[in-house]
Amino acid sequence: GNSVTQMEGPVTLSEEAFLTINCTYTATGYPSLFWYVQYPGEGLQLLLKATKADDKGSNKGFEATYRKETTSFHLEKGSVQVSDSAVYFCALIPLTNTGNQFYFGTGTSLTVIP
Amino acid sequence: KAGVTQTPRYLIKTRGQQVTLSCSPISGHRSVSWYQQTPGQGLQFLFEYFSETQRNKGNFPGRFSGRQFSNSRSEMNVSTLELGDSALYLCASSLAGTSAYEQYFGPGTRLTVT
Repeated sequence: GNSVTQMEGPVTLSEEAFLTINCTYTATGYPSLFWYVQYPGEGLQLLLKATKADDKGSNKGFEATYRKETTSFHLEKGSVQVSDSAVYFCALIPLTNTGNQFYFGTGTSLTVIP
Repeated sequence: KAGVTQTPRYLIKTRGQQVTLSCSPISGHRSVSWYQQTPGQGLQFLFEYFSETQRNKGNFPGRFSGRQFSNSRSEMNVSTLELGDSALYLCASSLAGTSAYEQYFGPGTRLTVT
């Protein structure tokens, strides 16, 4: 089946620290992979995506590389800011899916302290 | 361009009642998906509508239903509410019906069942 596993939170970092949030997946075929971010009281916003192996998605200093061999899509940022405090969700859409059914991880809460 | 809008934003209902939530997608978007978000289960896919037809359905009981109108606006209905239906209900719209297109999420409707 299709599933996403991401590291448990919460994660607390000091400003300017390095961030890694691990995400691994199980899917039929080659899915498209996504990272979404949810700020308090808001819906989800697309942070970045990758649609094929070895693609690197990047946005706002965040990066993630689609690794087929390890079925992973880890999120990284070199220097986090207080404004990055949010919940981060890893997700996939299977290639075989006829529509837009996302499979989400459980989310990782990040708090950045000054 | 206006984003995805959901109404109402907050709702309190009593067990046994029924509720209807509304989602207006971004103009021109034809696909609308619904998700339930709870602390225990995370984000779970409810169903997706494309051009007024339900294309995908998640593993929810028949009490959960939806529909899409010719202008792409969508509603979801939950009948005979249970305490466990308390959740944030998110809808997402996309331009077309494949995973190649980015999904945009609304802010959600917070449903509390007492």
